[in-house]
Amino acid sequence: DAGVIQSPRHEVTEMGQEVTLRCKPISGHNSLFWYRQTMMRGLELLIYFNNNVPIDDSGMPEDRFSAKMPNASFSTLKIQPSEPRDSAVYFCASSTRGWSTEAFFGQGTRLTVV
Amino acid sequence: SQELEQSPQSLIVQEGKNLTINCTSSKTLYGLYWYKQKYGEGLIFLMMLQKGGEEKSHEKITAKLDEKKQQSSLHITASQPSHAGIYLCGADSGGGADGLTFGKGTHLIIQP
Repeated sequence: DAGVIQSPRHEVTEMGQEVTLRCKPISGHNSLFWYRQTMMRGLELLIYFNNNVPIDDSGMPEDRFSAKMPNASFSTLKIQPSEPRDSAVYFCASSTRGWSTEAFFGQGTRLTVV
Repeated sequence: SQELEQSPQSLIVQEGKNLTINCTSSKTLYGLYWYKQKYGEGLIFLMMLQKGGEEKSHEKITAKLDEKKQQSSLHITASQPSHAGIYLCGADSGGGADGLTFGKGTHLIIQP
């Protein structure tokens, strides 16, 4: 298995533009998590899905952020419009049965908004 | 909400020496997860602890969860350059299906 695959690895965009981050979880995993990592705030949970259904999006910072999981093998995190303070590394992770078992992280997407 | 405090924030250790990283929770831990991260990369799962007093080892890394389940320690014996990175502890708030809360991480540097 190739593990959790995220794309792109790096994204540089101008303020105000729409940004879409993509994630392909490990086949067979039914939980998917989106995290954001910054130096100041560390690793923060944004939203997670169980069986493609969003369970808790309380970590999504603003309405500019939205996430979807149209099927078990794909999820997107969209920021529209993007702002410089959104610059961070965004991680996707997947697991079986939530965190009761090991969760696997993708390599992350480093987003820079200028 | 549950908060995790890791100490130290950063650590420089001479190769071959032992070291310990601590993770303290503001609430009882139902599950405590240790991850390692190299700069620019994702998190690699190390160990998961659930029972008070539990101890697990993998190669030269040992993690413990205290009896009260509010503190965990990660101990590395005879450190090597490959141990360098950021070590993060993550806590399960109890539901088992929710996302983890993570500490800010401990930056470990191994000096040859």
